[in-house]
Amino acid sequence: SYVLTQPPSVSVAPGKTARITCGGKNIGSKSVHWYQQKPGQAPVLVIYYDSDRPSGIPERFSGSNSGNTATLTISRVEAGDEADYYCQVWDSSSDHVVFGGGTKLTVL
Amino acid sequence: QLQLQESGPGLVKPSETLSLTCTVSGGSISSSSYYWGWIRQPPGKGLEWIGSIYYSGSTYYNPSLKSRVTISVDTSKNQFSLKLSSVTAADTAVYFCARLEVTIANWYFDLWGRGTLVTVSS
Repeated sequence: SYVLTQPPSVSVAPGKTARITCGGKNIGSKSVHWYQQKPGQAPVLVIYYDSDRPSGIPERFSGSNSGNTATLTISRVEAGDEADYYCQVWDSSSDHVVFGGGTKLTVL
Repeated sequence: QLQLQESGPGLVKPSETLSLTCTVSGGSISSSSYYWGWIRQPPGKGLEWIGSIYYSGSTYYNPSLKSRVTISVDTSKNQFSLKLSSVTAADTAVYFCARLEVTIANWYFDLWGRGTLVTVSS
């Protein structure tokens, strides 16, 4: 089955740029979606189709996808961005939803 | 504004069947644009997709859970349900229901319920 690999943790200072990666075999051929989950809350979609933002998501959130790595980029990081972030794809070869293991973003 | 709300027992005994219902309000579950799904999250761990259903009853299941999972839909009540049989402590998790935006080869969850904690314990 298809596997998505994320770093367990990423740390960044306020005002800097955070980059969270999601690795998968030829992931560039798939559409990647990203979710933000704060403690005790449900996940929230922050990026879909690699780089599109849902209404209400700040422009500071962006995404890219190429080769074997997709990346969620958060610019001008704020304390309120501290959360767990999950990538997700639809594996059409097996008709399954696949989540990455999640990355905890810490704002220093 | 469409909302999803999970409901069901918070405590289930080992070997029994976990049953949860997701009620959709503010919109129709019979929309042709969406599937509806269940996702779970064990305490302190990541997200795991359980399965998804279309209003017609078409289903997709996580192969690791497929032998124990049944997802059904009741369009008259605007609800869909999850049954997970033969539960063990490993099934203790927060269970989320969610709406899936579905296009060719692309599924993503655009709206989530708040989640409900189910504990498996005697």
